[in-house]
Amino acid sequence: DAKTTQPTSMDCAEGRAANLPCNHSTISGNEYVYWYRQIHSQGPQYIIHGLKNNETNEMASLIITEDRKSSTLILPHATLRDTAVYYCIVRAPRENNDMRFGAGTRLTVKP
Amino acid sequence: DTGVSQNPRHKITKRGQNVTFRCDPISEHNRLYWYRQTLGQGPEFLTYFQNEAQLEKSRLLSDRFSAERPKGSFSTLEIQRTEQGDSAMYLCASSLGLGRRLPETQYFGPGTRLLVL
Repeated sequence: DAKTTQPTSMDCAEGRAANLPCNHSTISGNEYVYWYRQIHSQGPQYIIHGLKNNETNEMASLIITEDRKSSTLILPHATLRDTAVYYCIVRAPRENNDMRFGAGTRLTVKP
Repeated sequence: DTGVSQNPRHKITKRGQNVTFRCDPISEHNRLYWYRQTLGQGPEFLTYFQNEAQLEKSRLLSDRFSAERPKGSFSTLEIQRTEQGDSAMYLCASSLGLGRRLPETQYFGPGTRLLVL
């Protein structure tokens, strides 16, 4: 069972920031938060991961609340190519066997 | 391109036929995973290799499914006596395992889309 809860769908205007929330209220102390996205008919693409500090890379920023029960993925300037299903996954290093994907959030970026 | 590659990208077969898919991981990655994804769902784990050893199998992997990674590099997934319910996208991912206490990132291939008629 997925350990995360995400909205089913979201819209965002092109050029604006897309903020995708994820609840993981049962997260354990050694579990990391990972984000992947999947553009139609392609394999999932890794975006970012973090433990408790906020993280930023060339694709996105990850904001994790202090209690670690929720996080937000931020795409600072969404483009039409960011339209995809975004998956939030929590996973401990010891579970080096699979990623537990839920249904994700379908983000639609509109012109 | 140094990412994960999968072949073929698409496969159409008739029920009862056998099919085989190939995955070539990122070259230095010691771990390889197979997932299955049906329409509207997230990927579901099937099996996992560390080097050539198959260490984990999901209950989704019926006895008609077999996976190998003979030399710890590429892997094959074979489905025998295919059924219409096997129609799905089959995804391969690889990662560099650094130890049980360190996070690893899995990188996915483009997938093989199977349609069983």
